[in-house]
Amino acid sequence: DQQVKQNSPSLSVQEGRISILNCDYTNSMFDYFLWYKKYPAEGPTFLISISSIKDKNEDGRFTVFLNKSAKHLSLHIVPSQPGDSAVYFCAASNNAGNNRKLIWGLGTSLAVNP
Amino acid sequence: DTGVSQDPRHKITKRGQNVTFRCDPISEHNRLYWYRQTLGQGPEFLTYFQNEAQLEKSRLLSDRFSAERPKGSFSTLEIQRTEQGDSAMYLCASSLVYTSVETQYFGPGTRLLVL
Repeated sequence: DQQVKQNSPSLSVQEGRISILNCDYTNSMFDYFLWYKKYPAEGPTFLISISSIKDKNEDGRFTVFLNKSAKHLSLHIVPSQPGDSAVYFCAASNNAGNNRKLIWGLGTSLAVNP
Repeated sequence: DTGVSQDPRHKITKRGQNVTFRCDPISEHNRLYWYRQTLGQGPEFLTYFQNEAQLEKSRLLSDRFSAERPKGSFSTLEIQRTEQGDSAMYLCASSLVYTSVETQYFGPGTRLLVL
């Protein structure tokens, strides 16, 4: 049972435009959400996170939006650059518990075309 | 570089052999996690340590797998009698638990291929 879902396996955008990556979750106990970027044969790199007490967090070109009632979050990248081309993973955790293990989506492969 | 490091980066072994991987976390981090990722999937939790104590193991971690963090610093993950199904990327992450939310930082991973 996939508790974190990224329903778009791939996304292609033009350089300079906005990239929007989506993520849905089913477990209402999740209270912390993270986005990681991953290149082939490398470990995930932390990008940005959001706590469930917020609905938006911004860091440079990256903004994450959280809609708790819809159990939905999205990552916006503006403007998109060719170097952003990678697989993006959404992950969630329950920080009220002792084990804050991350539960991951399957990833979305982003291609930013020059 | 003060990030998480893993060694080796790649390992090819024959079925039935034992392998051991090492992870060095960010120095001030007190938590260390092991995950496994197979092709087309997100990482899956295997086990985690707080300081030297192993606090939880996933059901994915059969008795052929053992992990240690003897002095609360680096950790090792050993797989005995490897099987072809063990082929995967093994990821290590570290974090600081004494915060209201916990961000895990990952190493480059060890890619295991069992022939």
